[in-house]
Amino acid sequence: AQKVTQAQTEISVVEKEDVTLDCVYETRDTTYYLFWYKQPPSGELVFLIRRNSFDEQNEISGRYSWNFQKSTSSFNFTITASQVVDSAVYFCALSVGGKLIFGQGTELSVKP
Amino acid sequence: KAGVTQTPRYLIKTRGQQVTLSCSPISGHRSVSWYQQTPGQGLQFLFEYFSETQRNKGNFPGRFSGRQFSNSRSEMNVSTLELGDSALYLCASSLRGTYQETQYFGPGTRLLVL
Repeated sequence: AQKVTQAQTEISVVEKEDVTLDCVYETRDTTYYLFWYKQPPSGELVFLIRRNSFDEQNEISGRYSWNFQKSTSSFNFTITASQVVDSAVYFCALSVGGKLIFGQGTELSVKP
Repeated sequence: KAGVTQTPRYLIKTRGQQVTLSCSPISGHRSVSWYQQTPGQGLQFLFEYFSETQRNKGNFPGRFSGRQFSNSRSEMNVSTLELGDSALYLCASSLRGTYQETQYFGPGTRLLVL
């Protein structure tokens, strides 16, 4: 079975704090991609980052960084120095067979 | 480049009616996927179209159908609406719909069934 689990339902931080969103996935496929999307109150899903199953190199892009560990099937996402505009629901997704399988989402609230 | 557009943005229908939602992909994208988002079930894949053919279908009843036109625009139809069909329907597009590609989403259509 293919599944994505985001154990954190809600996270609340104060502006400028770092925050890590956890994601654990299950798949029997050997090749796949993992994504993070952000959904602000307007509803549109905004693409943030993606990682393929062959590349475990962790990267940083601006205030975003991600930690992909195939051995533990985890794909965690970190926002450094959070800002109020980062408040949104964040979804981790697994891409297999041409479709996205989403986690339940983590609602991040960044307070000033 | 214009993003994915969806119309209408909001809809109110009553049980038993049918509804048609429209999606225009990013120019050059030939794959269109539809997702349903509800508070209880989260984001679920409905179906995917490429070159006017449905290639993939999620676990939804036959009341949910779709089609794609030669210009890659897509419509989805829900017949005999039920209260549980109230949801945000999101459309996404990508170049060819392969698993490697990023899917870009539209703003969604919020459907309320009374």
